Parts: sequence; structure tokens; C-alpha cells
Amino acid sequence: QQQVKQSPQSLIVQKGGISIINCAYENTAFDYFPWYQQFPGKGPALLIAIRPDVSEKKEGRFTISFNKSAKQFSLHIMDSQPGDSATYFCAARPLGGGSNYKLTFGKGTLLTVNP
Amino acid sequence: EAGVAQSPRYKIIEKRQSVAFWCNPISGHATLYWYQQILGQGPKLLIQFQNNGVVDDSQLPKDRFSAERLKGVDSTLKIQPAKLEDSAVYLCASSLYLTDTQYFGPGTRLTVL
Repeated sequence: QQQVKQSPQSLIVQKGGISIINCAYENTAFDYFPWYQQFPGKGPALLIAIRPDVSEKKEGRFTISFNKSAKQFSLHIMDSQPGDSATYFCAARPLGGGSNYKLTFGKGTLLTVNP
Repeated sequence: EAGVAQSPRYKIIEKRQSVAFWCNPISGHATLYWYQQILGQGPKLLIQFQNNGVVDDSQLPKDRFSAERLKGVDSTLKIQPAKLEDSAVYLCASSLYLTDTQYFGPGTRLTVL
């Protein structure tokens, strides 16, 4: 059962454009939603995260939008740069209880920003 | 601050052979995770330690995979015997405590022929 569905699988954006990656989740116990960035040959690194008590969080050019009723959240990268080219993973984690705070990842989006 | 260290970075073995991966977490991090990342997919948690105790190993194929974290610091993940479908990147991560940010190592890319 895929608990976190991520789309699109790949995305090509021109430099300066906006990159948008979407995720949907099924488990209403999820209470923490991070986005990870992974470059080839490296491990994932936390980019930005949100909790469901806010609808939006912005850090520099990166913004998470969260829709609790629709059980969806998205990553927006403004003014996309070639250096942003990487694979992006959304993830979700329950606040606690029997799942032991286990992170569930989406399948990833390969972002290519053309110069 | 040194990051999560993993070795080896690459490993190629024949099916039915055994292999072991090593992880050294960030100093002071109590929680350690092993993930399997198959090409084109997100990381999947195999096992999670809190100090030297197992918190979750529900997705660890226990008939062939084993992991230990003696003394609550370094950890090893072993596969014996390996199957073709075990070809993946094995990621180690650590966090200060259970709900803190997870920091990932560079991973070990395993190819089973």
C-alpha cells in the first residue's frame, strides 16, 4: 500500500521558472511532512518541513503548501536554478504511537532545470 | 560536524553470497536507521535503533537480513544470502532522538549479479 503518492515522476523547467511537485497521503495520523533533496551519489538531505497546523511555510525560494482537508501538500521552487536539479522526495510521519515515528517516502521526482 | 559515514560505497557480489555494510552515525545521535532505496523509488525503512535497542524492524526481511548496533554507536547491516532483488542503495541515517531531523549518509550501492 503506497501511503504517500508523489507526482510528477519527472519535471523539466527552464531557469527562472517555477517547479511544482505534489504529494498526497492517505494516513490521517501523519503529522509531519518533510521534503528531501537528493543529488546523485549523495544521501537525501532535509530541505523544508511543515506540520498541519499551518497551510504554508516558506524558506527562501522553497515553499510548502499544505491542504489538510484534501490530504495533499506540495513543494514550490521559485526562480528555479540549474543547481536545483536533483531528485525530490516528499515524506510523511505520524506524530507518535505504534508507528514509532517512521518516515514514509514518496517515489521521488527528478527535477531538471535547463539553463 | 562530521556527517554520517558509510562503507563501502560500492559493492558487487554474486547471488547467494553474503555482504555487510557499516555505518557510523553523527556523534551523540541516539537514533539510527537503515533504509533500502531501489532505483526509481524512495527510501524504505528496514530497521530503526534507539541506542542499541531495536525500535522497528517490521520491514526487515529477517530470513536474510540482520542488523546490530552494539554499544549504541556504529551499526552493521548484513545480507546472507543475497538475492538479485537486493540490488539497491543502502542508506544509513541518524537523528538526535526519535522525532528529530534525520541526517543521511551517502549510501552503499549494492549490485547483486
